[in-house]
Amino acid sequence: TQLLEQSPQFLSIQEGENLTVYCNSSSVFSSLQWYRQEPGEGPVLLVTVVTGGEVKKLKRLTFQFGDARKDSSLHITAAQPGDTGLYLCAGARNSGNTPLVFGKGTRLSVIA
Amino acid sequence: EPEVTQTPSHQVTQMGQEVILRCVPISNHLYFYWYRQILGQKVEFLVSFYNNEISEKSEIFDDQFSVERPDGSNFTLKIRSTKLEDSAMYFCASSTGAVGYTFGSGTRLTVV
Repeated sequence: TQLLEQSPQFLSIQEGENLTVYCNSSSVFSSLQWYRQEPGEGPVLLVTVVTGGEVKKLKRLTFQFGDARKDSSLHITAAQPGDTGLYLCAGARNSGNTPLVFGKGTRLSVIA
Repeated sequence: EPEVTQTPSHQVTQMGQEVILRCVPISNHLYFYWYRQILGQKVEFLVSFYNNEISEKSEIFDDQFSVERPDGSNFTLKIRSTKLEDSAMYFCASSTGAVGYTFGSGTRLTVV
């Protein structure tokens, strides 16, 4: 069974601080996806990383896929209250139509 | 922006009753999925559907569950003889087959 462990589980920071969220596994994934989920809503796709070592930027968010395709990180620069939410990583073991394995998520709270 | 639409948003049912959760995937998507999220737990894969048949299912998706695409637009999840532990958020998702899913907002099922 492939598992994805996210850390930290909870994170509370001041506006303007930087943070990094980690997503780790002992298994290799074909791709890793990062989602953000608001209360009572479905996950919303932020980014997909496919190639080992790949780095993708989305405004103040930087996503990295580990060289061995077993882990990923999400770095947020100068966090804002609007970044508050649940961040989920999800791994696909194969390309194409394949079920996702989700981590438990990191609940981020950015205080103004 | 195209959306995956789920109805109802909330469903309360008595234990032992049957429920049907409905989804309208994005029109040009070919792959459809059901996931569930028990309160405070991970998002879990239930089933994937392609070309009018189940392509993969998890251990959770036993004989109590079934899926159907009754027409060109709807995708349904039927849960027979509901149990208390079926209470969860149920998310429908669709994709083109490339990486990245679009999730619906979910149906909150409460079994009493």
